[in-house]
Amino acid sequence: GAVVSQHPSRVICKSGTSVKIECRSLDFQATTMFWYRQFPKQSLMLMATSNEGSKATYEQGVEKDKFLINHASLTLSTLTVTSAHPEDSSFYICSARLTSGQETQYFGPGTRLLVL
Amino acid sequence: GESVGLHLPTLSVQEGDNSIINCAYSNSASDYFIWYKQESGKGPQFIIDIRSNMDKRQGQRVTVLLNKTVKHLSLQIAATQPGDSAVYFCAENMKGTYKYIFGTGTRLKVLA
Repeated sequence: GAVVSQHPSRVICKSGTSVKIECRSLDFQATTMFWYRQFPKQSLMLMATSNEGSKATYEQGVEKDKFLINHASLTLSTLTVTSAHPEDSSFYICSARLTSGQETQYFGPGTRLLVL
Repeated sequence: GESVGLHLPTLSVQEGDNSIINCAYSNSASDYFIWYKQESGKGPQFIIDIRSNMDKRQGQRVTVLLNKTVKHLSLQIAATQPGDSAVYFCAENMKGTYKYIFGTGTRLKVLA
């Protein structure tokens, strides 16, 4: 149980285009989902917290207009990288929290974004 | 010495030996700690967790030790196997926020 999927697993796009990444909890409902970014040989950095039915909360230094997050249902959150540039190339990972009151996060397999 | 940022600290261990991976966490108010394993190109995989009211927890071949006095967490892997080769991250949960702060990570290399 507690499986999280991401789609696509990897994407290559041209500079200036927008890319949407989906995060789904497959066998449970997730009130809260998280989006992380990971550069090569570095740790995971939290970008934003996504709560179903409300606006996402962004971490300091993360541009909310560039990284649009939508959490329209209890099983789906999307991250849209708008007007992507080469410096946005990274590994984007989502996680989902099982139920209210539980801290454990279950992570998706990640999406590799390459902006040319 | 070890450096972070461009280079992950690396621990090389002979197959069959025990591994100890260390982590210093930052927030004394954190109340929940987790170890994750990450293989190349994949998402983090849960290994074991521990709450702040405990100082030791054991799983299958793994043990986590928590020292709140010095804000230190360690992961012990018994009889290390080639499949254990990966990057290991500790994470701390900030009490009341459900947000994780990840440590810098350690690459474990298992030598045959």
